[in-house]
Amino acid sequence: DVKVTQSSRYLVKRTGEKVFLECVQDMDHENMFWYRQDPGLGLRLIYFSYDVKMKEKGDIPEGYSVSREKKERFSLILESASTNQTSMYLCASSLWGEENTEAFFGQGTRLTVV
Amino acid sequence: GENVEQHPSTLSVQEGDSAVIKCTYSDSASNYFPWYKQELGKRPQLIIDIRSNVGEKKDQRIAVTLNKTAKHFSLHITETQPEDSAVYFCACTSYGKLTFGQGTILTVHP
Repeated sequence: DVKVTQSSRYLVKRTGEKVFLECVQDMDHENMFWYRQDPGLGLRLIYFSYDVKMKEKGDIPEGYSVSREKKERFSLILESASTNQTSMYLCASSLWGEENTEAFFGQGTRLTVV
Repeated sequence: GENVEQHPSTLSVQEGDSAVIKCTYSDSASNYFPWYKQELGKRPQLIIDIRSNVGEKKDQRIAVTLNKTAKHFSLHITETQPEDSAVYFCACTSYGKLTFGQGTILTVHP
């Protein structure tokens, strides 16, 4: 059973704080993704990674950075949290290859920036 | 980059009716088109997918069609049931990048 685990379910941070969201998967997937989910806007891709130390910007990378030092772990970093980054953050992972495959999601982290 | 448009944003049907959700995409290199269902408070889960070399796929009450020329694909749910109520997302993959539509809130009334 594929497991994608996010470190926190709920998080409250202050404006200006540096915030780390962690995601770990146990299926040896090459691809990992970070999305934010806001009502009416769907799942918007922040960053994705297809290998250790490799990263690609998604559609809304501003204000975020990522780190992938190990294959199973993908971290999202908010360098200086702002109130407009209050959102639900979802991590996902999938296999890489000619045949694209199902992405498995973590349970989500609801971040509130005050 | 890829742009995925999904319609409608909300859909309300009576139990037993059919529901259709449509998506268009912009990147002709996209080759994998999954659909995800997200129930309230839960994570999105894959319900059906289709690859670019296939025009239609069916799994019990759900089916997906793909028109690569027109760059659109659709989800069809027949004989809807109250447990089909959820948010549905279309998505497509191009060079590993998975891009989602805006989501459709489907409500099935008993």
